[in-house]
Amino acid sequence: DVKVTQSSRYLVKRTGEKVFLECVQDMDHENMFWYRQDPGLGLRLIYFSYDVKMKEKGDIPEGYSVSREKKERFSLILESASTNQTSMYLCASSLSAHEQFFGPGTRLTVL
Amino acid sequence: GEDVEQSLFLSVREGDSSVINCTYTDSSSTYLYWYKQEPGAGLQLLTYIFSNMDMKQDQRLTVLLNKKDKHLSLRIADTQTGDSAIYFCAERGTSGGGNKLTFGTGTQLKVEL
Repeated sequence: DVKVTQSSRYLVKRTGEKVFLECVQDMDHENMFWYRQDPGLGLRLIYFSYDVKMKEKGDIPEGYSVSREKKERFSLILESASTNQTSMYLCASSLSAHEQFFGPGTRLTVL
Repeated sequence: GEDVEQSLFLSVREGDSSVINCTYTDSSSTYLYWYKQEPGAGLQLLTYIFSNMDMKQDQRLTVLLNKKDKHLSLRIADTQTGDSAIYFCAERGTSGGGNKLTFGTGTQLKVEL
């Protein structure tokens, strides 16, 4: 079974803090994605990566950066967290474009 | 850019059929998908349809695609309480090297006894 794990299920941070969200997949997938999920807005793509050290901006990259130093790990970084970044963050990986496998999500609250 | 719209809520009685609708704007969409998100979990792929197909059936699930109107629907026959979840429509266009999906807003399905 494909497994995508995220470092935390719940996270509480203060405004201005630097926040790291980690995602690890165990299926040697080329593609990895970071989304945020907000009620009424669905999933919105923040960044994705199709290879190690490669990254592409998604639809809402502002205020975020990413790192992919190893194939299995894709990190999302909030350089200076703000309250409007309070959200559910979902990581996904895929080998092909068909099926993306999702992690359980990290609910981030920024106070 | 791509846009995918869904109604936010649907309530049905156990045993009835559920129909969840989705509209999209990208005429270059190659595949369209339905994902399911159960409470506290990530999304799981339910089914997908190639854009040159009209219909796909998979056990209790029927997907209908009207490419002219850019309308996709998911019918769940004999809906059960275990079907209560958020259902996301997604389309795969040509942007992002064809690896990028655009998701809809999600429809919360509530199944009542």
